[in-house]
Amino acid sequence: DAMVIQNPRYQVTQFGKPVTLSCSQTLNHNVMYWYQQKSSQAPKLLFHYYDKDFNNEADTPDNFQSRRPNTSFCFLDIRSPGLGDAAMYLCATTQTSGHEQYFGPGTRLTVT
Amino acid sequence: GESVGLHLPTLSVQEGDNSIINCAYSNSASDYFIWYKQESGKGPQFIIDIRSNMDKRQGQRVTVLLNKTVKHLSLQIAATQPGDSAVYFCAEQADDKIIFGKGTRLHILP
Repeated sequence: DAMVIQNPRYQVTQFGKPVTLSCSQTLNHNVMYWYQQKSSQAPKLLFHYYDKDFNNEADTPDNFQSRRPNTSFCFLDIRSPGLGDAAMYLCATTQTSGHEQYFGPGTRLTVT
Repeated sequence: GESVGLHLPTLSVQEGDNSIINCAYSNSASDYFIWYKQESGKGPQFIIDIRSNMDKRQGQRVTVLLNKTVKHLSLQIAATQPGDSAVYFCAEQADDKIIFGKGTRLHILP
């Protein structure tokens, strides 16, 4: 049974057209993460939530925003996608610090 | 560790041999370390973890070694199999942030 679900698996958007990626979890974990992964690179942390506390990485562009309306759901909003934002976006959860992190299958974003 | 560059280092290992994948981490305050396996088109999959108060931990066919003095982590895979072919990432955690290091592509030779 899927524990971290990402929808859609593949998303195509136009340059400059806002797009939202979604993540849901059935684990009731406190912490949710969003990572960006480009080809042949490591996942790069964009931001994470500890419960409702939002933690943004210093080098995450303002173009990227996130919402966590409840424990189960977390959204990644890209306000004006550029060609450089084409990547795999990975959502992950963990119960708390020092515990195993569970990843979703990712959403591959294409910007045309 | 910081991810850099566009080309992953590759380790080629004969099927049945042991594999050793190395990683350097950057934050001396990190207290939890994880190895992940990532197959093409999939999200990272947890393999094994180790806390900073340990220097070795064993799982099924895998062993993680931690050397805090030189901030070095290694993953040993015993009797490497074709299904082990993937990209392997180390990650470090401090204050709920999990940061990935550079990956290594493991290629299995028949």
